[in-house]
Amino acid sequence: NAGVTQTPKFQVLKTGQSMTLQCAQDMNHEYMSWYRQDPGMGLRLIHYSVGAGITDQGEVPNGYNVSRSTTEDFPLRLLSAAPSQTSVYFCASTRAVQTGELFFGEGSRLTVL
Amino acid sequence: SQELEQSPQSLIVQEGKNLTINCTSSKTLYGLYWYKQKYGEGLIFLMMLQKGGEEKSHEKITAKLDEKKQQSSLHITASQPSHAGIYLCGAVGGTSYGKLTFGQGTILTVHP
Repeated sequence: NAGVTQTPKFQVLKTGQSMTLQCAQDMNHEYMSWYRQDPGMGLRLIHYSVGAGITDQGEVPNGYNVSRSTTEDFPLRLLSAAPSQTSVYFCASTRAVQTGELFFGEGSRLTVL
Repeated sequence: SQELEQSPQSLIVQEGKNLTINCTSSKTLYGLYWYKQKYGEGLIFLMMLQKGGEEKSHEKITAKLDEKKQQSSLHITASQPSHAGIYLCGAVGGTSYGKLTFGQGTILTVHP
């Protein structure tokens, strides 16, 4: 049972480069979300999706794009990386928000130089 | 949007002491989660509360959700070094289905 899988685990980018953080879950969860974690800031919601084809913005969506073409996958795209996007990113999924445990990936540590 | 305030921001206790972490919202909480994170690692689910007045326990950790569903507390009895880490509360606001947000976290240090 793989759960929530994030790749890559570590990435170093230069300012202006683009990249995609991958997130996949094998639990048939409708809800998926992306968070970033910075020191003293807890987890801040970037984007979330309540099902395939449906996405919405969280607290800090600027500079990030998402899409949800399948139930399993929820990639996070950085179009033009900035040093302020240096952070640890977590993907999460659940069967149903408000009633189910939120399962987290192991995190992706991104450094933008 | 749902704003969750955790207190204290950090806590240092001696092994064996009891402690409480609070999570407060200005809006009604729906589905209040507690997670623990060890430094540099992923998040571990502790428990979830849904009903006003609900209380759940797991080993030496007890979480409560008040009757108004606007405040939750996490209580650790007889703390151990293994309890050290960051504790995060998360919740969904009733008018923002899917917008599951978290507090800023409480850093717990337990001295042996």
